[in-house]
Amino acid sequence: QQQVKQSPQSLIVQKGGISIINCAYENTAFDYFPWYQQFPGKGPALLIAIRPDVSEKKEGRFTISFNKSAKQFSLHIMDSQPGDSATYFCAASKGMRELIFGTGTRLQVFP
Amino acid sequence: GAGVSQSPSNKVTEKGKDVELRCDPISGHTALYWYRQSLGQGLEFLIYFQGNSAPDKSGLPSDRFSAERTGGSVSTLTIQRTQQEDSAVYLCASSPRGGEAFFGQGTRLTVV
Repeated sequence: QQQVKQSPQSLIVQKGGISIINCAYENTAFDYFPWYQQFPGKGPALLIAIRPDVSEKKEGRFTISFNKSAKQFSLHIMDSQPGDSATYFCAASKGMRELIFGTGTRLQVFP
Repeated sequence: GAGVSQSPSNKVTEKGKDVELRCDPISGHTALYWYRQSLGQGLEFLIYFQGNSAPDKSGLPSDRFSAERTGGSVSTLTIQRTQQEDSAVYLCASSPRGGEAFFGQGTRLTVV
């Protein structure tokens, strides 16, 4: 019930392509869904987040799509760049409490 | 303004010794979290503080782990009688009210 399942584990995309990372959850009480970006040796940095009352949120090249009925949400990175190469984590929380993280996706963008 | 600050950035300790890891959250943030990240793995929740409420300790892996938060600000994570499996990066995060969390750089703990 508390798990957040993330896929794929790794992703290789060519520069300019679209990167898509998917997450699924079971607990319908979750009400906050952020995505974090982590570079080697650094702490995770908040990238973008969504609440279940909207189906999509876009910030620059990053878009979250949220499907409440399917209990799934995904991160789309448009026009992927080599600088986007990092590990991405989805997460979920309920009632503004602790975040439950997915297992991470290592993204590599090749020029 | 300064972000979340953690110290030390690296710690090497001998098996069986106690260690203390420190976290200075962003000023004014009422929520504070500790997570553990093993090499190449996801983030494992350890403990959550929110204001003056009793902390949520449900993620602490054993009674060798404890944490406190003094004055609603600085937090210390203590690991007693360290074991090799405790080797990981310990991440602290703070939030203005919970949910949206801002992470520090982490403390890399190596138990030899």
